[in-house]
Amino acid sequence: SYELTQPPSVSVSPGQTARITCSGDALPKQYAYWYQQKPGQAPVLVIYKDSERPSGIPERFSGSSSGTTVTLTISGVQAEDEADYYCQSADSSGTYKGVFGGGTKLTVL
Amino acid sequence: EVQLVESGEGLVQPGGSLRLSCAASGFTFSSYAMHWVRQAPGKGLEYVSAISSNGGSTYYADSVKGRFTISRDNSKNTLYLQMGSLRAEDMAVYYCARCGGSCSHWYFDLWGRGTLVTVSS
Repeated sequence: SYELTQPPSVSVSPGQTARITCSGDALPKQYAYWYQQKPGQAPVLVIYKDSERPSGIPERFSGSSSGTTVTLTISGVQAEDEADYYCQSADSSGTYKGVFGGGTKLTVL
Repeated sequence: EVQLVESGEGLVQPGGSLRLSCAASGFTFSSYAMHWVRQAPGKGLEYVSAISSNGGSTYYADSVKGRFTISRDNSKNTLYLQMGSLRAEDMAVYYCARCGGSCSHWYFDLWGRGTLVTVSS
């Protein structure tokens, strides 16, 4: 199997920058994707192919990749950004697809 | 409106079976590969299964292989998940999701609201 590792929680004050990391051995070879999930709601895609932003997603959401770590950055965090965030990718061979990280709870203080 | 709506929620005993459905609207369903993703209560997302746009190719996570069957009816714009030999660990909200882009890389750009499967005696 293949694992993606995220920190369980990240806390920031409104207006600050939040950075959520996701680590995995295959990330240099495979794209990463990020989803936001608010309580009681379905996940929403916020970043695809490491750094692309779907239409309708605010510009304060951005993604980057460096080696075996990808990062979701939320600039100027707002209270409405409080949610769980999940990264998703695949192993290097593509055998295990749709692998999710364990999720990170973003708390806006 | 572009949307996915799951149905089939239910309570089933261990070892039992259940079929979930996912009705698509607002887009050309037959052009997209589709997926099922689940989330146990209070837990993270877990990938379950995929099916190609024409139904000719399927994929299952190891945790459900041999017990679940994914299928689709493009004439009805509907995705299915037939679940058998259900276990307590299968209890979750099940989401259907559309594969993003050309699906050369798997990601999910549209999700349904989910349907709850409870496995308990």
